[in-house]
Amino acid sequence: DAGVTQSPTHLIKTRGQQVTLRCSPKSGHDTVSWYQQALGQGPQFIFQYYEEEERQRGNFPDRFSGHQFPNYSSELNVNALLLGDSALYLCASSLGLQPNTEAFFGQGTRLTVV
Amino acid sequence: AQTVTQSQPEMSVQEAETVTLSCTYDTSESNYYLFWYKQPPSRQMILVIRQEAYKQQNATENRFSVNFQKAAKSFSLKISDSQLGDTAMYFCASADGSARQLTFGSGTQLTVLP
Repeated sequence: DAGVTQSPTHLIKTRGQQVTLRCSPKSGHDTVSWYQQALGQGPQFIFQYYEEEERQRGNFPDRFSGHQFPNYSSELNVNALLLGDSALYLCASSLGLQPNTEAFFGQGTRLTVV
Repeated sequence: AQTVTQSQPEMSVQEAETVTLSCTYDTSESNYYLFWYKQPPSRQMILVIRQEAYKQQNATENRFSVNFQKAAKSFSLKISDSQLGDTAMYFCASADGSARQLTFGSGTQLTVLP
């Protein structure tokens, strides 16, 4: 079992550009959530996907969008990058939508905006 | 809205000793769940222990146990017989039936000293 895999591991982008991050969930998991973790802080929830639909969204602007594919993998897209978007982006997968279910995290994508 | 507060940015403990990490939370929900996650330098979040709010008995997982004080909205983590591999950032988190995503605290960096 490969667990949750994210790609790429590191990325450097220029302010104003667009970026796409990818996540493959743990085998058997159907729910994917994305979090942004700024340096020295706890992760903040961006959004959650289940059955290819966005089910919940945190306090992030519309520049942040996502998608879930039929195989449950997911993408996070960020448009018009700002310097403040520099962070570790974590993907977590779980089974179903119950709040007590264990979330398995990937190792994250470190995004640097210059 | 949920909030989670960790007031100890850094802690250290000698190998084989016991250490307690503090966490307070706030939620308006009656049905909620609390978690401790560990984030080692590899960046991958790992679930350490979880507690259902409706259960009065404190959760225990091997060397890890919690002290759940529902009235005080306190959820501390006790690590017994600390090991060098316990060195990591520890995050307290909550989730409930309406906000199913994890809400994290700001973390406590624990260093186990040889």
